[in-house]
Amino acid sequence: ETGVTQTPRHLVMGMTNKKSLKCEQHLGHNAMYWYKQSAKKPLELMFVYSLEERVENNSVPSRFSPECPNSSHLFLHLHTLQPEDSALYLCASSQEQGYVTEAFFGQGTRLTVV
Amino acid sequence: QKEVEQNSGPLSVPEGAIASLNCTYSDRGSQSFFWYRQYSGKSPELIMFIYSNGDKEDGRFTAQLNKASQYVSLLIRDSQPSDSATYLCAVRETGRRALTFGSGTRLQVQP
Repeated sequence: ETGVTQTPRHLVMGMTNKKSLKCEQHLGHNAMYWYKQSAKKPLELMFVYSLEERVENNSVPSRFSPECPNSSHLFLHLHTLQPEDSALYLCASSQEQGYVTEAFFGQGTRLTVV
Repeated sequence: QKEVEQNSGPLSVPEGAIASLNCTYSDRGSQSFFWYRQYSGKSPELIMFIYSNGDKEDGRFTAQLNKASQYVSLLIRDSQPSDSATYLCAVRETGRRALTFGSGTRLQVQP
């Protein structure tokens, strides 16, 4: 396994379900991110973890709950979602070093809330 | 509000031509700038980054940065149909760890 891996690739869930998205990075990076990408909108940053500590939470509804048990793994726990939460959820990682910190993305999870 | 702005396009160029993609940003203190390519249904992939004023070349790609004008561009020489994708500009703003993305420019290279 190389790079950033996300599972599942596709997820359909009802509004009353609970599910989790998983992200794993094999790059030795020390920061991980969740982004949301909706149609015709910029990538929206949801959460930032640096050295396993949440350092940013951009006014994301509480129905999204992140977890970072170690520097290689990141989860996004989902519960009681709304149809407007349907989007592509992207995980990324980077190595914080100076000011050139390019982010590498996983393949994304296409989420549909029905 | 800090922003990264791009023309949504589509930008249509013939095969073999130069495609020019532009991006402006509002945070004057931003230090590093990135171009990503995203094919439909796929995740963004990094093309190149730049942090000094001027040009940076990598194969058919040239990134240009003008911090005084808060402007960054990407030139693609000898455009190929396989370059057809959405190109995302991203900026590392002052005091932020994560990148702020523009909404992207869709490029279409006509055979």
